[in-house]
Amino acid sequence: DVKVTQSSRYLVKRTGEKVFLECVQDMDHENMFWYRQDPGLGLRLIYFSYDVKMKEKGDIPEGYSVSREKKERFSLILESASTNQTSMYLCASSRQVRQPQHFGDGTRLSIL
Amino acid sequence: AQRVTQPEKLLSVFKGAPVELKCNYSYSGSPELFWYVQYSRQRLQLLLRHISRESIKGFTADLNKGETSFHLKKPFAQEEDSAMYYCALTEGEKLTFGTGTRLTIIP
Repeated sequence: DVKVTQSSRYLVKRTGEKVFLECVQDMDHENMFWYRQDPGLGLRLIYFSYDVKMKEKGDIPEGYSVSREKKERFSLILESASTNQTSMYLCASSRQVRQPQHFGDGTRLSIL
Repeated sequence: AQRVTQPEKLLSVFKGAPVELKCNYSYSGSPELFWYVQYSRQRLQLLLRHISRESIKGFTADLNKGETSFHLKKPFAQEEDSAMYYCALTEGEKLTFGTGTRLTIIP
């Protein structure tokens, strides 16, 4: 069974801090994704990566960056955290394009 | 541009009654559609995809290209069906989600 692990379930940070969210998958999947999940807005794609060192902007990339130095790890970086980035962040992976995505448990991030 | 619409944010159904969660999409190409479910305190997981034509946990969904719909149905609701349901559309690498419907089954 695919395992997507997000490093923290809950995280509290202050405005202006640089925040790192980590995600690791153990099934050698090519594609990895970062979403944020907000009530009434569903899931919105922030960034995705289809190969090591490759990244593509999603629908809401502003204020975020990503890093994929190894195939199994995909990091989301909030360069300077702001209160409007308080949200649930979900990481996902898939073997190939158009294949189902497998999700982690999520990180609930609060920016004070 | 892709767009997925789930018109109902909340849906309450009595146990044993039929369930229908609506999903409409807007896409000019050949869509691939999914339903994902998130039970309380669990991770988001795939429920079913249209190309497999499977019935999972009693749920089915038929792709209607004429009406651009992919509604999720179950003939008899069970209490364990209470969850958040998301319809999603993919083309290429990206998956676009609807805003979700929270289904509550009333005992």
